[in-house]
Amino acid sequence: DQQVKQNSPSLSVQEGRISILNCDYTNSMFDYFLWYKKYPAEGPTFLISISSIKDKNEDGRFTVFLNKSAKHLSLHIVPSQPGDSAVYFCAASVSSGTYKYIFGTGTRLKVLA
Amino acid sequence: GAVVSQHPSRVICKSGTSVKIECRSLDFQATTMFWYRQFPKKSLMLMATSNEGSKATYEQGVEKDKFLINHASLTLSTLTVTSAHPEDSSFYICSASTAFGNQPQHFGDGTRLSIL
Repeated sequence: DQQVKQNSPSLSVQEGRISILNCDYTNSMFDYFLWYKKYPAEGPTFLISISSIKDKNEDGRFTVFLNKSAKHLSLHIVPSQPGDSAVYFCAASVSSGTYKYIFGTGTRLKVLA
Repeated sequence: GAVVSQHPSRVICKSGTSVKIECRSLDFQATTMFWYRQFPKKSLMLMATSNEGSKATYEQGVEKDKFLINHASLTLSTLTVTSAHPEDSSFYICSASTAFGNQPQHFGDGTRLSIL
């Protein structure tokens, strides 16, 4: 049972344009969401997070949007740069106990120069 | 800040060998550390959660006698894959977090384990 899904395994975007990565979840108890970026043979790097009390959080070129009613979140990268090419994972957790994360399956972003 | 060091980065060994992987938080105290496994082109699968000074909590389907986890200090957790077999070959990643509210987990760079 995949509680967190990223339905697009890959995405190609032209440099300078907007990249939009999507993530859907099924567990309504999730109240904290994160996006991580991962290069091959490296661990994930934290990008941005959002609590369920918000619907938007922005940090530089990265913005995360949360639609609780649709159980959907998205990551916007503007403008996209070639160095953004990586695999992006969304993760969700419940704010109690161990705060363990459930990860999505990842979306490979390729930013074309 | 929030650097997590994982060692070794790569291990190749014979079937039947036990392999120990270390995970250290270098600049913060990690009351909780997590161990993940990633299969090729798949998501990160949580194996277990370890809290300093207590027994690890394993996810369903993960053999605790196979994957021994020790979290003896606030900066070090170890995962030992006992009597490893080829099916244990995988990418293992640890992460660490503080105890205070919703704080991002910070990940090590992973260990590529190959069992021949």
